[in-house]
Amino acid sequence: GDSVTQTEGPVTVSESESLIINCTYSATSIAYPNLFWYVRYPGEGLQLLLKVITAGQKGSSRGFEATYNKETTSFHLQKASVQESDSAVYYCALGPATSSGQKLVFGQGTILKVYL
Amino acid sequence: GGIITQTPKFLIGQEGQKLTLKCQQNFNHDTMYWYRQDSGKGLRLIYYSITENDLQKGDLSEGYDASREKKSSFSLTVTSAQKNEMAVFLCASRDWGYEQYFGPGTRLTVL
Repeated sequence: GDSVTQTEGPVTVSESESLIINCTYSATSIAYPNLFWYVRYPGEGLQLLLKVITAGQKGSSRGFEATYNKETTSFHLQKASVQESDSAVYYCALGPATSSGQKLVFGQGTILKVYL
Repeated sequence: GGIITQTPKFLIGQEGQKLTLKCQQNFNHDTMYWYRQDSGKGLRLIYYSITENDLQKGDLSEGYDASREKKSSFSLTVTSAQKNEMAVFLCASRDWGYEQYFGPGTRLTVL
């Protein structure tokens, strides 16, 4: 079946350092999946951080970037300089590129802790 | 902007009990979802619905029923709560751009 694997957390980073959270996927039932990063900040609900629906394209939001790499089946999340407010749980997910259903398959989540 | 509300926020049940979780959205989205999240794990799909009165099973539907009587609401029933079960249930709805919007969750504890 389809699956998503991401960096095991928690990931602890000092403020202003760079960050990468790895995400690799296996889409056996979906030819061209859409890829997403969701985030849950402390005390808040899960929300979309960024999405990319075309292989080879890059998505960005709030200083985070992720490139959809079909060759390596990866969608790593990167940020050049993290802030304490980026501390959250990050989820990589994939979904079918059709309008019907659009079930998402999530990774296990990566806890990010940014300290001053 | 819209919002998704889930009730109750915390649900404590007894083994074997039938428990119902409710979800409301005012986005006017067609598709709604129920996910379960266990500690340290990703979200797993229980049921989804692409329109009023439609129900589609997800990967984890056994032990659950769902109901979509109105476009704006989607309820989930745990048919027989399992002892020591603990999980967070998340409701979501989807827009035309494939983005899913999530509710705050219902935390279930079974004694």
